Amino acid sequence: GAVVSQHPSWVICKSGTSVKIECRSLDFQATTMFWYRQFPKQSLMLMATSNEGSKATYEQGVEKDKFLINHASLTLSTLTVTSAHPEDSSFYICSARSRGDRYNEQFFGPGTRLTVL
Amino acid sequence: QKEVEQDPGPLSVPEGAIVSLNCTYSNSAFQYFMWYRQYSRKGPELLMYTYSSGNKEDGRFTAQVDKSSKYISLFIRDSQPSDSATYLCAMSAGSSASKIIFGSGTRLSIRP
Repeated sequence: GAVVSQHPSWVICKSGTSVKIECRSLDFQATTMFWYRQFPKQSLMLMATSNEGSKATYEQGVEKDKFLINHASLTLSTLTVTSAHPEDSSFYICSARSRGDRYNEQFFGPGTRLTVL
Repeated sequence: QKEVEQDPGPLSVPEGAIVSLNCTYSNSAFQYFMWYRQYSRKGPELLMYTYSSGNKEDGRFTAQVDKSSKYISLFIRDSQPSDSATYLCAMSAGSSASKIIFGSGTRLSIRP
């Protein structure tokens, strides 16, 4: 149980285009989903927290107009990188937190590698 | 000072050795402690989840938490080449609004 999927697993796009990444909890309901960014050989950097049905909370320094997050249901959150530039190239990982006693557990998706040319 | 400190390594040990990975932290409010394993180009996988102080064992893995010293450890017995990965410690204060704070990760390599 507790499987999180991401789609696509990798994407290459041209500078200036927008890219949407989906994060789904497959076998549980996720009241909260998180979006992270990870550069090579570095740890996870939390970008934003999204709760189902409400606006995402962005971490300091993360542009909310550039990284649009939608959490429309208990099993789906999307991250859209708008007007992507080469410096946005990174590994984007989502995670989901389930309801219930072990709500501090986060289950991670496999990640999406974004390359902006 | 970072809330969670973790030696980035790399750590290289021979197959079969006991591996000890550690993190220190500064926030005494942390009550939940996790260890994640991350293979290259993959998302982190939850290995161990513990609450408060004490030990927890799962197969070849043992997690220890010493809240008095603000120190947590992960031990891997009979290490295998397949254990080669980056190990991230993580912790949380426990309320539904608490963020999970991650260590920077330790790169571990098990030599056959």
